Amino acid sequence: TQLLEQSPQFLSIQEGENLTVYCNSSSVFSSLQWYRQEPGEGPVLLVTVVTGGEVKKLKRLTFQFGDARKDSSLHITAAQPGDTGLYLCAGAGETSGSRLTFGEGTQLTVNP
Amino acid sequence: KAGVTQTPRYLIKTRGQQVTLSCSPISGHRSVSWYQQTPGQGLQFLFEYFSETQRNKGNFPGRFSGRQFSNSRSEMNVSTLELGDSALYLCASSLAGGGRSPLHFGNGTRLTVT
Repeated sequence: TQLLEQSPQFLSIQEGENLTVYCNSSSVFSSLQWYRQEPGEGPVLLVTVVTGGEVKKLKRLTFQFGDARKDSSLHITAAQPGDTGLYLCAGAGETSGSRLTFGEGTQLTVNP
Repeated sequence: KAGVTQTPRYLIKTRGQQVTLSCSPISGHRSVSWYQQTPGQGLQFLFEYFSETQRNKGNFPGRFSGRQFSNSRSEMNVSTLELGDSALYLCASSLAGGGRSPLHFGNGTRLTVT
């Protein structure tokens, strides 16, 4: 069974601060996705990383996939209140189809 | 382009009853997956359907079942409801399934079992 450990579970910061969320596993994933979920809504895909060592940037968000494809991180620069939400990492195995293994999520609150 | 639509949004049932949830995927998407989201367990995979066939199944009891129709719409059924089945049930569609194909989630059905 593939497991993804996400940390921290909760994060409350002030506007303008930087933060990093980690997603770790002992298993290798063929790809890893990051989602953001807001109350009352389903998760929305932010990015997919597929190559070990890959770095993707989405405005103030930087995503990295570990060289061994077992871990990933999400870094937010100069966080804003609009970044508030539940951030989820999800990994796909080579033969898992649409079966994604999700981390427990990081609840981020950015205070004005 | 319309997103993934789940109905109903909220549902209250009593123990022992059964329930059917519906999901309409994005037009053209042939893969539909179902997930259960609870505060303690996070998102847990239930099953995936592709072209009317169950392609993958998670570790849930047989009380949880699903199906997909020729128009790709999907339903999931839970029989003999238990208190622990209270959760947000999310449906996600994708073009072809697979970890590299983005999942598009609906807003879920909030099921409360009393």
